Amino acid sequence: DQQVKQNSPSLSVQEGRISILNCDYTNSMFDYFLWYKKYPAEGPTFLISISSIKDKNEDGRFTVFLNKSAKHLSLHIVPSQPGDSAVYFCAASSRGGYQKVTFGTGTKLQVIP
Amino acid sequence: SAVISQKPSRDICQRGTSLTIQCQVDSQVTMMFWYRQQPGQSLTLIATANQGSEATYESGFVIDKFPISRPNLTFSTLTVSNMSPEDSSIYLCSVGDLGRDRNGYTFGSGTRLTVV
Repeated sequence: DQQVKQNSPSLSVQEGRISILNCDYTNSMFDYFLWYKKYPAEGPTFLISISSIKDKNEDGRFTVFLNKSAKHLSLHIVPSQPGDSAVYFCAASSRGGYQKVTFGTGTKLQVIP
Repeated sequence: SAVISQKPSRDICQRGTSLTIQCQVDSQVTMMFWYRQQPGQSLTLIATANQGSEATYESGFVIDKFPISRPNLTFSTLTVSNMSPEDSSIYLCSVGDLGRDRNGYTFGSGTRLTVV
């Protein structure tokens, strides 16, 4: 049962354009969402998060949007840079109690110079 | 955020043997987790390493196969026992506390295990 889904395994974007990575979840108990970035041979690095009380969180070039009614979130990268090329994981957690984090399958982003 | 040193970074092991992976953190942390990432798959939580008590395992993972130690608040080990080729994965240590750490969990660089 994949509770966090990233339906696009890969995405290619031209440098300078917007990258949009999508994520859907099924568990209504999730109330905290995170995006991680992973380069080959490294562990995932935290990128940005959003609480369910918000619908948008912005940090520099990165913005995460949350649509609770649709159980959908997206990560926007503007402008995209070649150094953004990596695998991006969406993750979700219930902050009460156990704090287990559930990850999606990842989207490999390639930013073309 | 915490800095994690995970060892070894990679290993090739014979089936039937065991490998112990170490995770050292530069500060005391409440929560320590062990994840597995099989080829082309997501990160799957194996267990939560509890200091001073037995680890809490997720569905599908058992202590006999993945014994975990956590002797203090800065160190943990995961052993992959009686290995088979299906255990070939990246194993990752993670630390953090979502209640206090708005930056989410920090991950080690991972151990790439190949079982032959």
